[in-house]
Amino acid sequence: GEDVEQSLFLSVREGDSSVINCTYTDSSSTYLYWYKQEPGAGLQLLTYIFSNMDMKQDQRLTVLLNKKDKHLSLRIADTQTGDSAIYFCAEEESGSSNTGKLIFGQGTTLQVKP
Amino acid sequence: DVKVTQSSRYLVKRTGEKVFLECVQDMDHENMFWYRQDPGLGLRLIYFSYDVKMKEKGDIPEGYSVSREKKERFSLILESASTNQTSMYLCATRGSRRAQETQYFGPGTRLLVL
Repeated sequence: GEDVEQSLFLSVREGDSSVINCTYTDSSSTYLYWYKQEPGAGLQLLTYIFSNMDMKQDQRLTVLLNKKDKHLSLRIADTQTGDSAIYFCAEEESGSSNTGKLIFGQGTTLQVKP
Repeated sequence: DVKVTQSSRYLVKRTGEKVFLECVQDMDHENMFWYRQDPGLGLRLIYFSYDVKMKEKGDIPEGYSVSREKKERFSLILESASTNQTSMYLCATRGSRRAQETQYFGPGTRLLVL
């Protein structure tokens, strides 16, 4: 079945860049998503990338997509303590463009040290 | 702004009790989802619904049922709660009018079964 994999934990110092990586298995996904979950809260969409793009930049966030290797990454520039959260990578399940069923990774906990 | 509300933030129940978790959305979205979130496992889909009275099993439906009598409300039912159902439960909704539409999440219900 389809699968999305992430490492579980990343620790960086304030002001450094963070890079969170994700691999996925379904090459037919149209969109890939990054969600952020702050402590005690639900998930919020951070950004998404259309599968025919290699890169998308949005302020401090850069998403890179390598379709050949089925690898997605999220780079946060100038990481702040407020960026401490769990970050989930997700892809759309094949054939689910109407319902929007997503397959989520395990989530990467980003710890930002002052 | 999309608003997704869940009936309780925290719930404590005893083994064998019947538990109802309610989710309400105000965006007239067709698709609604119930997930459970456990550390290291990410989000796993329990059930989803793509229309009133329609439901489909997700990846882990055992021990759960759902009800969607009205478009705005999607209920998750634990017929006889067990300790292994202690978890964070997240509801999400999604429209189907745009290809890049994403899922919007409620704040979650943290359920403890004793």
